[in-house]
Amino acid sequence: EVQLVESGGGLGQPGGSLRLSCAASGFTFSDYNMNWVRQAPGTGLEWVSYISGSDNTIYYADSVKGRFTISRDNSKDSLFLQMNSLRDDDTAMYYCVSSLICSGGGCRTHWGQGTLVTVSS
Amino acid sequence: EIVMTQSPATLSVSPGERATLSCRASQSVTSSLAWYQQKPGQAPRLLIYGASTRATGIPGRFSGSGSGTEFTLTISSLQSEDFAVYYCQQYNHWPRTFGQGTKVEIK
Repeated sequence: EVQLVESGGGLGQPGGSLRLSCAASGFTFSDYNMNWVRQAPGTGLEWVSYISGSDNTIYYADSVKGRFTISRDNSKDSLFLQMNSLRDDDTAMYYCVSSLICSGGGCRTHWGQGTLVTVSS
Repeated sequence: EIVMTQSPATLSVSPGERATLSCRASQSVTSSLAWYQQKPGQAPRLLIYGASTRATGIPGRFSGSGSGTEFTLTISSLQSEDFAVYYCQQYNHWPRTFGQGTKVEIK
């Protein structure tokens, strides 16, 4: 069974840093591209960042470019998001999301349960 | 950046009725369009990818259509568990972008 479990959220200071982690299991992690998607309280979904499975192709939303860094450790089946220069509008639930994983004739993406980041002084 | 516009913002439907949700892209995204369902307190769930292909485990009452800039999600006969917020997302261009969502509520 595919599982994605995020951790590392909590209270961050404006201008401060947090590091989110996502532990993956149940699939060959290195074969799949991964994303971070966030959702501010009471609002819609915002894609944050993407990293390819093995060649480290990376993209960011303009709202986080230069402040956030996505990375992965395929030897530990883990995805990370280093968040620096935090701002109030970074407050959100952060989800770790897989690309399409296909098995048994069907495909789906997988989402973690999310980790809540609150930026406040 | 591709702007995704969903309509209506809220759709009031009676159980058993048909629901039609629209999503428009500011420029062509070919068929690289996904639909997600999100219930309160839960992570989103993929319903449709490639504009019209149902994801694993998604009931046949959900169908997607469209290409280019105009897309539709149809729920043929609404069940109680279908009342939720629905988002479209394009994955043809960077950055990936979501629509603002359509809330399907009980009439």
